Amino acid sequence: SQQGEEDPQALSIQEGENATMNCSYKTSINNLQWYRQNSGRGLVHLILIRSNEREKHSGRLRVTLDTSKKSSSLLITASRAADTASYFCATDDVYNQGGKLIFGQGTELSVKP
Amino acid sequence: EAQVTQNPRYLITVTGKKLTVTCSQNMNHEYMSWYRQDPGLGLRQIYYSMNVEVTDKGDVPEGYKVSRKEKRNFPLILESPSPNQTSLYFCASSLKQGARYQPQHFGDGTRLSIL
Repeated sequence: SQQGEEDPQALSIQEGENATMNCSYKTSINNLQWYRQNSGRGLVHLILIRSNEREKHSGRLRVTLDTSKKSSSLLITASRAADTASYFCATDDVYNQGGKLIFGQGTELSVKP
Repeated sequence: EAQVTQNPRYLITVTGKKLTVTCSQNMNHEYMSWYRQDPGLGLRQIYYSMNVEVTDKGDVPEGYKVSRKEKRNFPLILESPSPNQTSLYFCASSLKQGARYQPQHFGDGTRLSIL
């Protein structure tokens, strides 16, 4: 079952602007991960935030996690055309049988030059 | 280079003709998994394996088989493919550290069309 719900489904911005994507989930988690998928390619891991963390940074990426609201957001600052891709959140559920991730349906980001 | 390799990348075939999609990883990962990706449905797990000779069903296992005879390989078998198995398939692997698993590494995908 798909636990993560992402919002918006699609986002179009100009180069240099910031892009914010949101993810909501339903159960208790060990961690939440964000992945990027370029058109026609496999998913690439971007960042992992643990359930006891509230914010994490990696380069131009900033992830927040609010476990009380069961939500996370991914912020990409100063976006570039190369950031055009689909972005997925995935949760590592505390009840799962080891290793399983539940993916959201993704946000399709388009960054126009 | 650390990678997950899937073959073939593209395949068009007919209903009922058995096919195998191979997946190999060179990172000595314990965990391997197969997903299918369909528009509007996201990624859904088909089967997974926590180690050699240990496999289990994911969310959509019907019509698929897997095996894990060696740590590096995790083939996906469609014994009698049907048109509703037309999809984009991904293999992924991850390393176990303690009781948890690290983020997954994905292959580039296999686009299957079953006519």
